[in-house]
Amino acid sequence: DIQMTQSPSSLSASVGDRVTITCRASQSIGSYLNWYQQKAGKAPKLLIYAASSLQSGVPSRFSGSASGTDFTLTISSLQPEDFASYYCQQSYITPFTFGQGTKLEIK
Amino acid sequence: QVQLVESGGGVVQRGGSLRLSCAASGFTFKSYGIHWVRQAPGKGLDWVAVIWYDGSNKFYADSVKGRFAISRDNSENTVYLQMNSLRAEDTAVYYCARDPGGITSSLDHWGQGTLVTVSS
Repeated sequence: DIQMTQSPSSLSASVGDRVTITCRASQSIGSYLNWYQQKAGKAPKLLIYAASSLQSGVPSRFSGSASGTDFTLTISSLQPEDFASYYCQQSYITPFTFGQGTKLEIK
Repeated sequence: QVQLVESGGGVVQRGGSLRLSCAASGFTFKSYGIHWVRQAPGKGLDWVAVIWYDGSNKFYADSVKGRFAISRDNSENTVYLQMNSLRAEDTAVYYCARDPGGITSSLDHWGQGTLVTVSS
């Protein structure tokens, strides 16, 4: 199975900060990488698909990029509603494994 | 609007069985794959299974292979997850999610989840 290693596992930041979350795949997955946001008690929400494509309706402050087996989610200027948990997921081959998550908290 | 509604969760004894349902509306159901993803209390997301739009292919996580079975009824716009030989570690909120397919796979709409508790 492909392992997805996400870092950091938690992060404290302030409104207006630029934040980066990283996900590393254990083998090549091309651009088959998605990012999700999950708020407490709610279902996950798709933010980015195919490594860098912004899902419809998602604010442009969210962006994704890829370099080899390393993938990055960037939030350019944190807003109060962005404090949540974030997960990467590979969709290259089943099982479609998730990273362990990053909890983004208010500093 | 797109809606996915899970049902069938509850408390079951270890070794028991449960069938979850995912009822879809607001889109052409027969054109989309459907996944099940679970989340144990306080833990991360754990992919469980997928069924293709026409039911021709099904894939499972190793942890549930041989115990869980995914199926769909395109005439009823519903996907099922039959869960047998349940273990304590299967305790989780179970979400169904839509996969638009195409070049890459992603989960673009999710249900609200249904809680499964396996008691000993």
